[in-house]
Amino acid sequence: NAGVTQTPKFQVLKTGQSMTLQCAQDMNHEYMSWYRQDPGMGLRLIHYSVGAGITDQGEVPNGYNVSRSTTEDFPLRLLSAAPSQTSVYFCASSYRGAEQYFGPGTRLTVT
Amino acid sequence: KQEVTQIPAALSVPEGENLVLNCSFTDSAIYNLQWFRQDPGKGLTSLLLIQSSQREQTSGRLNASLDKSSGRSTLYIAASQPGDSATYLCAAVGGSQGNLIFGKGTKLSVKP
Repeated sequence: NAGVTQTPKFQVLKTGQSMTLQCAQDMNHEYMSWYRQDPGMGLRLIHYSVGAGITDQGEVPNGYNVSRSTTEDFPLRLLSAAPSQTSVYFCASSYRGAEQYFGPGTRLTVT
Repeated sequence: KQEVTQIPAALSVPEGENLVLNCSFTDSAIYNLQWFRQDPGKGLTSLLLIQSSQREQTSGRLNASLDKSSGRSTLYIAASQPGDSATYLCAAVGGSQGNLIFGKGTKLSVKP
């Protein structure tokens, strides 16, 4: 199993650009989520999904969209990037209520 | 609203010492609690998961305990090694859907 994979590893965007961060898992997990990690703020939940076709907002959803068309994939879209979205983004997956597995992260810089 | 706190923020110990990392949470109605390790510039590696009905879990030199009534969890590391140097994060899950509420971590440095 590859586990949880994320692409790209690094990305630099200009303010106002849009992009999609990719996340995939091959463990047939129903639950997938996106977190951002910022110095001094820790990890905060952006969006999550409990199954294909079902998504919901976390603590910091503004400026981000998600969709879950398959069990395996859970992309995160930045609609119009802002410097405040400079962060490290992590995707995670699990069976519901069970141990969660994280991807290696995407380091995003918005200038 | 659930809040998770980890104290101290940083800890430095000599190699071979046994140590305890602390995690406290404000809402005792947690579904489970998970401990992670994060190396600089890397992702999170799961260490131990404790279900709400359990009191402790063990993996090798690591032992995690959970006391819901006092809102506390501890991670015990036996015979610490320089390779244990990393940031340790605890996270509480409030409901069955699995959303994690993280503490800000304890940065551990084990000196040879």
